[in-house]
Amino acid sequence: EDQVTQSPEALRLQEGESSSLNCSYTVSGLRGLFWYRQDPGKGPEFLFTLYSAGEEKEKERLKATLTKKESFLHITAPKPEDSATYLCAVQVWASGSRLTFGEGTQLTVNP
Amino acid sequence: DGGITQSPKYLFRKEGQNVTLSCEQNLNHDAMYWYRQDPGQGLRLIYYSQIVNDFQKGDIAEGYSVSREKKESFPLTVTSAQKNPTAFYLCASSIFGGDIDEQFFGPGTRLTVL
Repeated sequence: EDQVTQSPEALRLQEGESSSLNCSYTVSGLRGLFWYRQDPGKGPEFLFTLYSAGEEKEKERLKATLTKKESFLHITAPKPEDSATYLCAVQVWASGSRLTFGEGTQLTVNP
Repeated sequence: DGGITQSPKYLFRKEGQNVTLSCEQNLNHDAMYWYRQDPGQGLRLIYYSQIVNDFQKGDIAEGYSVSREKKESFPLTVTSAQKNPTAFYLCASSIFGGDIDEQFFGPGTRLTVL
């Protein structure tokens, strides 16, 4: 059974205080790993897809990295508007297009 | 603008009633999905469809039903057999079989059982 675990469950940062969110996975045949941002009461917004170990992608203050066992979402000098829940999901070759999600990390950035 | 629409935004149901949640997309995507999200939790897959007139059960299909008669539409019915239906329901769509795998989400429907 595919498993995705995100840590920490919640993270509180001061504005400008960089940190990382972790997504560890146990799957058979990873096809892709996805990061989403979700604001309260809204649908998730796509951020990144990573396909192979060593791959990195960046967008503004966010950088996602991937190893064979986990992915990190690095947040550099966060701002209050970065406050949201960050979701990680995996897609495996045997399951077609379906995704398996972790439970998310709720990030709060204080001014 | 291309996107995914879900209606209604809020839905209230009495116990014993069936209700249908609407999901429409104009992205020309082949695949569509329904997820359920409970407070403080991630998304769990209810049903998905990769082509018209075909769909598969996800991890928590019991008490739900779907249809896929048109490429653009994938309605979800929450039946009276679903014991705890109060949740936030999200619809998503994606290209199927191409190089782009990411799913794009609608704004969600919050269902409350009275």
